[in-house]
Amino acid sequence: SQTIHQWPATLVQPVGSPLSLECTVEGTSNPNLYWYRQAAGRGLQLLFYSVGIGQISSEVPQNLSASRPQDRQFILSSKKLLLSDSGFYLCAWSPGWGSNTGELFFGEGSRLTVL
Amino acid sequence: RKEVEQDPGPFNVPEGATVAFNCTYSNSASQSFFWYRQDCRKEPKLLMSVYSSGNEDGRFTAQLNRASQYISLLIRDSKLSDSATYLCVVPLYYNNDMRFGAGTRLTVKP
Repeated sequence: SQTIHQWPATLVQPVGSPLSLECTVEGTSNPNLYWYRQAAGRGLQLLFYSVGIGQISSEVPQNLSASRPQDRQFILSSKKLLLSDSGFYLCAWSPGWGSNTGELFFGEGSRLTVL
Repeated sequence: RKEVEQDPGPFNVPEGATVAFNCTYSNSASQSFFWYRQDCRKEPKLLMSVYSSGNEDGRFTAQLNRASQYISLLIRDSKLSDSATYLCVVPLYYNNDMRFGAGTRLTVKP
């Protein structure tokens, strides 16, 4: 069966510090991968999605970046965090082309507080 | 029009009530639609998929109106455990670019 792991679950970082959130998927190949952010009391905002290794689509210009160094690994990074980066970050995957029902499977999320 | 727009809520209903949420979308080419449920401080989980005119699963019914570009979620005989935020999800291009509505908060009270 497929599983998705996301870490760390919780982190508190000072403004200006770097960020790295990691997400891995097991039990499937060539998944579509996503990073979403949810601010307190708000909906999910798509940050990045990837349909393959090295292929990243950015939806919101900001100080975040994403990378997909391996088929089932998706990393969200920042060189310098801002207060506005605080939120609940969710990694998700969906089956790739040809088998995609559209359902998203989410990791348990990473709660980031920037102080 | 926003890509995906939902009833703002919150909805506060007594147990046993019937409640309905609407969601409008802007991309007329979208073929499939989804309702997700999100409990407080948890990740969203799929509740229902809608590929044609509608889908029913127990107390939950999702309906699609392509002409008016909206989908709805109907919950009958509400339970306390139905309290959550319900997210409408619409793919922009095929199923690779999923866009979420802001969510509708439902609280079912005894």
